[in-house]
Amino acid sequence: EAQVTQNPRYLITVTGKKLTVTCSQNMNHEYMSWYRQDPGLGLRQIYYSMNVEVTDKGDVPEGYKVSRKEKRNFPLILESPSPNQTSLYFCAIRTREGDTQYFGPGTRLTVL
Amino acid sequence: DAKTTQPPSMDCAEGRAANLPCNHSTISGNEYVYWYRQIHSQGPQYIIHGLKNNETNEMASLIITEDRKSSTLILPHATLRDTAVYYCIVRVDRDDKIIFGKGTRLHILP
Repeated sequence: EAQVTQNPRYLITVTGKKLTVTCSQNMNHEYMSWYRQDPGLGLRQIYYSMNVEVTDKGDVPEGYKVSRKEKRNFPLILESPSPNQTSLYFCAIRTREGDTQYFGPGTRLTVL
Repeated sequence: DAKTTQPPSMDCAEGRAANLPCNHSTISGNEYVYWYRQIHSQGPQYIIHGLKNNETNEMASLIITEDRKSSTLILPHATLRDTAVYYCIVRVDRDDKIIFGKGTRLHILP
C-alpha cells in the first residue's frame, strides 16, 4: 500500500525563520505534489514534480520552494515564512501511469 | 477555479444510500470525473473515477449523465464513518495539476 510520510506533523514558528517540511514515499512513484488547505478555499496546489530534478509551479507557488534530488523525497521549503502561510499542508504521490493520488497525513503549520 | 459545482452540505440517515450530486457543465471530452473525500483534517482519500460509463467499486458507485455535464456519487449504505467532505474533480487523465473545489460536507445521521 502506498505510504506518504510528512514531518513534522505540527509546527509553530515565527515570521522569517526558514523551515522545511519533508515528504517521503515508499512506492518509488514519479509524481509528487504539495497542496495547502485553508478554510473556505479548499485544497490548492503549490508545486508538483513529475520526476527527479523536474518541478513545476502549481496555483499558489509564491513564498515556497521545492526540490526533487531523489525520487522518494520532495521537501517543501519556506525561506521566510509569513503569517499568511499558516495552513494545513498535504503531500501527494502517484505513479506515471496511475490515475489516483495518495495523500500524506498533513502538516499543520502556524506562523506567528 | 474549480470546474465543478457541489452543494455545500447534505444529510443522510445511517444505513440509507447517500447520493451526492456534482455539476460539471464545461467538462471536456478528455476529462475524467474523480471523487475524493476528506475525513476531518486527514489527507484526501480517493474514492472512484470515470469518463462516461457508470463505475462501481467496493466503496461507491459513480453515475455520469449521458451528456457528461453532471454526475452522482452513491454510497449505498452510509455509516457514521462516511461523515466527511466529498470533492468532485474533473481533470485530464494523469494530469497532476488538479483543482479541488469546496466540496460537499456529508453528515450521516444516526
